[in-house]
Amino acid sequence: QIHLVQSGDEVKKPGASVKISCKASGYTFTRNGVNWVRQARGQGLEWMAWINDYSGDTKYAQKFQGRVTVTTDASTETAYMEVERLTSDDSAVYYCAIRGYGSGSYYLFDAWGQGTLVTVSS
Amino acid sequence: DIVMTQSPDSLAVSLGERATINCRSSQSLLYTSTNKNYLSWYQQKPGQPPKLLIYWASSRESGVPDRFSGSGSGTDFTLTISSLQAEDVAVYYCQQYYITPPTFGRGTTVEIK
Repeated sequence: QIHLVQSGDEVKKPGASVKISCKASGYTFTRNGVNWVRQARGQGLEWMAWINDYSGDTKYAQKFQGRVTVTTDASTETAYMEVERLTSDDSAVYYCAIRGYGSGSYYLFDAWGQGTLVTVSS
Repeated sequence: DIVMTQSPDSLAVSLGERATINCRSSQSLLYTSTNKNYLSWYQQKPGQPPKLLIYWASSRESGVPDRFSGSGSGTDFTLTISSLQAEDVAVYYCQQYYITPPTFGRGTTVEIK
């Protein structure tokens, strides 16, 4: 059974940074990597980034290039995403998501973290 | 980026009746060398992360009830719930995974009439 457990909710001021963690059990990030997806309150889903621990490859949505960094720690099977220069538009629930059980694209998300609410407010 | 357009935004269906959600992509999601459509469907209930229902446009994820089915090819796709149950009340999203970045539709809210 795969479990993805994310770090707790955060409240940040505009201009600050936030770093969210996602610890996996029953899954290794070298398989299909890990994605980060966010969802603003009452809004849809927005893919942000992907990282594969085995290849070291990363992919970012263009709008987040230079402001978002994804990393992994293979020794603890933990993935991290840091978002810099936060604005109120970054207030959202952030999820880590993987293709953990099945085959096919690493952009198919069959296991999700519980979500981390980031609130950006002065 | 590929734009995914869902319709309707919401629909209300009686219990036991059919619910149909449409999704259109701004470019074809059919990869000709494999003859697979890179289109998936997710269900999201309040306070929960999304759940994968359908991938390759019509393959049902393990454990998903067979009242859920997906169809379509190229740029036009459909999710059908053949007999709506109370537990199917949720928001449904289509997603393309043909190219980076993967993109989602804006969602369709399914309610009980």
